[in-house]
Amino acid sequence: GNSVTQMEGPVTLSEEAFLTINCTYTATGYPSLFWYVQYPGEGLQLLLKATKADDKGSNKGFEATYRKETTSFHLEKGSVQVSDSAVYFCALSDLAGGSYIPTFGRGTSLIVHP
Amino acid sequence: DTAVSQTPKYLVTQMGNDKSIKCEQNLGHDTMYWYKQDSKKFLKIMFSYNNKELIINETVPNRFSPKSPDKAHLNLHINSLELGDSAVYFCASSQGPAAGHYNEQFFGPGTRLTVL
Repeated sequence: GNSVTQMEGPVTLSEEAFLTINCTYTATGYPSLFWYVQYPGEGLQLLLKATKADDKGSNKGFEATYRKETTSFHLEKGSVQVSDSAVYFCALSDLAGGSYIPTFGRGTSLIVHP
Repeated sequence: DTAVSQTPKYLVTQMGNDKSIKCEQNLGHDTMYWYKQDSKKFLKIMFSYNNKELIINETVPNRFSPKSPDKAHLNLHINSLELGDSAVYFCASSQGPAAGHYNEQFFGPGTRLTVL
């Protein structure tokens, strides 16, 4: 079956520090890859996505590149802000039997201090 | 306009009771989901419906029963509630493959269920 592995948190950083959250996956097909963000007390929302190898997804200063050779989709941001404190989920979506099957990682909590 | 809405937002109930959580989406999506998120933020998919047809039914107790009266609604009914059912339940929706989309999911705000 499919799986997504992401680094355990919490990740604690000072404001303006560089962020990397690692994510690797296994999939039987050719999945689309996603990062979702969950702010406290809210539902998940899409942060960025990539649908084929070497695609780079980007949004709000965050970036991730679909690396098929290393089955990875690491999330990066050059300078984090306190407002980026949230839980980040790496996810994939694979087509099986004509339907999308989503798989989520366990989430990585990011805490940014002023 | 709220894209994916859930009611209620909070639900506190006694063990053994039966309760329902409602979900509605106004995005015109074909597929809807229910997820359970535990206290460590682990997200587990429970069910998925595509055009009112059940397509994902993960290993959950049969006390949980989804019902999709139409494409825009997916409700979750839980019988004989147990302490371990306490969690946040999220509804989500997405377009189906026929639309050429890539299964970006839109989540509701969640329902926090507390079983006493």
